[in-house]
Amino acid sequence: DSGVTQTPKHLITATGQRVTLRCSPRSGDLSVYWYQQSLDQGLQFLIQYYNGEERAKGNILERFSAQQFPDLHSELNLSSLELGDSALYFCASSATSGGWYQETQYFGPGTRLLVL
Amino acid sequence: AQTVTQSQPEMSVQEAETVTLSCTYDTSESDYYLFWYKQPPSRQMILVIRQEAYKQQNATENRFSVNFQKAAKSFSLKISDSQLGDAAMYFCAYRRASNTGNQFYFGTGTSLTVIP
Repeated sequence: DSGVTQTPKHLITATGQRVTLRCSPRSGDLSVYWYQQSLDQGLQFLIQYYNGEERAKGNILERFSAQQFPDLHSELNLSSLELGDSALYFCASSATSGGWYQETQYFGPGTRLLVL
Repeated sequence: AQTVTQSQPEMSVQEAETVTLSCTYDTSESDYYLFWYKQPPSRQMILVIRQEAYKQQNATENRFSVNFQKAAKSFSLKISDSQLGDAAMYFCAYRRASNTGNQFYFGTGTSLTVIP
């Protein structure tokens, strides 16, 4: 158990809908990262938040947005869903924003999203 | 942009034997970190081992060790005395040593089968 929690574990929805994925980082971790893993693919970085502020942005679609709340949990919002958005969405956390520290990201169990 | 390449989509090894998984990366930076993550059928991402680019010595964690060749930009994972529980997808990952976003860049993975 990494200490990172994600809810829900599974989500089935229809095209055009909107969903929210939730992530709670490990106790004391300030950074949260979101990754998308499509079928048989590696993980693609979406976005990073550090202590409530956006720190880095990757290949995140405009239909997707995220935020980190004062209690440090994070939510990833996916809207106008398409079939191609079906994937496993991982949240990871780390203690700081990274930088020059030999820091590891710890991953949650993921949320499996299926868009029908 | 950083890219990580795993040229072996699938590998197999006899139980108790040794196997090496390959990873190469492309970067213009001198300081960075490299990781191997394991993803078993549960899809959880589990840290196996990490290496700091500024360290000459190869990292070792029990039966897992790396061969880090900085000039060649190569970072292979050696699994000794393979066990059935080692069967999983293995991902190589790169992280910048920078405060301006420290997301991971992942390879596409190598699926390891352990034959009893």
